[in-house]
Amino acid sequence: DAGITQSPRHKVTETGTPVTLRCHQTENHRYMYWYRQDPGHGLRLIHYSYGVKDTDKGEVSDGYSVSRSKTEDFLLTLESATSSQTSVYFCAISTGGADTQYFGPGTRLTVL
Amino acid sequence: AQSVTQLDSQVPVFEEAPVELRCNYSSSVSVYLFWYVQYPNQGLQLLLKYLSGSTLVKGINGFEAEFNKSQTSFHLRKPSVHISDTAEYFCAVSAGGGADGLTFGKGTHLIIQP
Repeated sequence: DAGITQSPRHKVTETGTPVTLRCHQTENHRYMYWYRQDPGHGLRLIHYSYGVKDTDKGEVSDGYSVSRSKTEDFLLTLESATSSQTSVYFCAISTGGADTQYFGPGTRLTVL
Repeated sequence: AQSVTQLDSQVPVFEEAPVELRCNYSSSVSVYLFWYVQYPNQGLQLLLKYLSGSTLVKGINGFEAEFNKSQTSFHLRKPSVHISDTAEYFCAVSAGGGADGLTFGKGTHLIIQP
């Protein structure tokens, strides 16, 4: 299995609070991705990174920001969480191009 | 932009019967195609992928898929399913250079009945 960990694995928070999710890899892959999974929607791309300090928006980026200060870590921040951001969040990594994306175990976030 | 349509949200099938999960895509550029499986409360695992070459792709756990460019389809098949195949299956497409993320279908829940 690809060396990807996500923390925390579960989190319950209240509307309006900031939340940061962490993705950590030990594979030294260049590309990292954040997706959210919701029933009836499959997975949708939030943001991705193609190198340290290089990030870009995905399909559903509103309300989210990301940072990548080291190759191994990709942080997803919800500046002010809303109930619509209740979801399961997955991190993925790849070497780019046609390479397979490998997924982490996911973080289940509940915003009350 | 590209999109993926998985035509069935649920597919019930009896154990040891064959199964086909359907996937259609749209894209204005050449694509790479993937099938992922998600077991309950787990992350996604790659079943197989099509990059180029032979249109019949074999993957893990006895699954295979056929790329049909004229019909823009990438259907997943297995000749005989097992109870352990019960899971959510996702078709995904990566367009152009492939590095800017995957576009997923909404998923098909495969239900194996004994």
